[in-house]
Amino acid sequence: AQSVTQLDSHVSVSEGTPVLLRCNYSSSYSPSLFWYVQHPNKGLQLLLKYTSAATLVKGIYGFEAEFKKSETSFHLTKPSAHMSDAAEYFCVFNTNAGKSTFGDGTTLTVKP
Amino acid sequence: GAVVSQHPSRVICKSGTSVKIECRSLDFQATTMFWYRQFPKQSLMLMATSNEGSKATYEQGVEKDKFLINHASLTLSTLTVTSAHPEDSSFYICSARDPAYQETQYFGPGTRLLVL
Repeated sequence: AQSVTQLDSHVSVSEGTPVLLRCNYSSSYSPSLFWYVQHPNKGLQLLLKYTSAATLVKGIYGFEAEFKKSETSFHLTKPSAHMSDAAEYFCVFNTNAGKSTFGDGTTLTVKP
Repeated sequence: GAVVSQHPSRVICKSGTSVKIECRSLDFQATTMFWYRQFPKQSLMLMATSNEGSKATYEQGVEKDKFLINHASLTLSTLTVTSAHPEDSSFYICSARDPAYQETQYFGPGTRLLVL
C-alpha cells in the first residue's frame, strides 16, 4: 500500500536557523510527492513537487526538498527560517489511482 | 500556478438546513475535482472525487445522500451538505487537477461551516 509518514508532529526553530521537516513514503512504484503549506484558516498552497525529474527540487519561499529513493524520504528544508514560515506543512503522495494521500501534518513554530 | 476559488468562505446555518459550497477553477478546465474535510489540528480527509458529467465517487464512510456533489461543468463543482447537523461543522476544502499538469492539485481557500 502507498502511504506517507511525517515523522514530526511539531517542529520549533528560531528565526534565522535552518528548517527540516521530515517525510518518509512507502510505495511499490516511483511516486509523485508534494509539499503543501497551510496557514491558519487558509487553503493549501503548493510549495514544491517531485515527479521523477531532478531529485533535488526547489520550491517557493526558499524551500527545497530532496527525493532519496534509498531512504524512501522526501524531507523539506530551508536554510533560514522566517517568522512568516510558521504554518502547517503537509507531505502528500499521489497514488497511481489518481488520489492524494496526506501525511498527518507538521506544525512549524518559529521563535523570534 | 492555477487558481481555484471557493464560495462562501464562511457560512453559519441552522441545524436541519442545507448548505451549498461552490468550487471553481478560474483559469483552467478541471475534469476532476476533489472534496476534503478537515477537522481542527488534523490532516485533510478525502470525502469524494467529483468527475465532470458523471457521478461522484465517495470514500468509504462518507454518506452520498448527506453530501451531494455535482460537477456540471469543467470549471464548477458543488458540495451540498443536506440537513446539516452540528457535527457537520468543519473546514471543507476543494481541489482541482489541472489536465496540463496531471500530477498537481490546486486547492481552494476552504469554506468554514458552522452548524448551530
